[in-house]
Amino acid sequence: GENVEQHPSTLSVQEGDSAVIKCTYSDSASNYFPWYKQELGKRPQLIIDIRSNVGEKKDQRIAVTLNKTAKHFSLHITETQPEDSAVYFCAATSSGNTPLVFGKGTRLSVIA
Amino acid sequence: SAVISQKPSRDICQRGTSLTIQCQVDSQVTMMFWYRQQPGQSLTLIATANQGSEATYESGFVIDKFPISRPNLTFSTLTVSNMSPEDSSIYLCSVQGAAYEQYFGPGTRLTVT
Repeated sequence: GENVEQHPSTLSVQEGDSAVIKCTYSDSASNYFPWYKQELGKRPQLIIDIRSNVGEKKDQRIAVTLNKTAKHFSLHITETQPEDSAVYFCAATSSGNTPLVFGKGTRLSVIA
Repeated sequence: SAVISQKPSRDICQRGTSLTIQCQVDSQVTMMFWYRQQPGQSLTLIATANQGSEATYESGFVIDKFPISRPNLTFSTLTVSNMSPEDSSIYLCSVQGAAYEQYFGPGTRLTVT
């Protein structure tokens, strides 16, 4: 089955700097890769996703890149703000009939 | 995205009792999932609940302990049976959208004493 590794487990950045979180996956059949943000006491929220037919996707200050050959994908947050502080989870799946497999999460702290 | 609600939002239960968690969605969905999240941990899939068929459980989770119902395309329940303190956790339901994306309910915070 699919296995998703996520690094780093914790990340601290100064406000205004960029943050990068990386994930690797094991199943070459995986074709959908979402990222979730979970604030303390809240549910995970889908913030961006990418499918295997594209290499990069951007939405304002966040972007995701995918390297299918290397089986890794990354979340990039630019111009970080204190409200970006949260736990971020990556995930992967290979089809609509299989649930997402999640990474262990990255706790991002943005220091003002 | 779908609007998902869960009841109860939190509960404190005694060891040996059972709790049923309800998940309601505002639109019909084929795939629903139940997850457990321990404090500071990632999301662990308990089971996949499809309407009209038995739930599919992940390794380490069994139907006797976590019976699931899925009577229609907008509703599901998860029961945590014969609870022990180790069952203290947040339980989340999740639904799959039309393009594989998953959305989560607000969660049920369970404390077993």
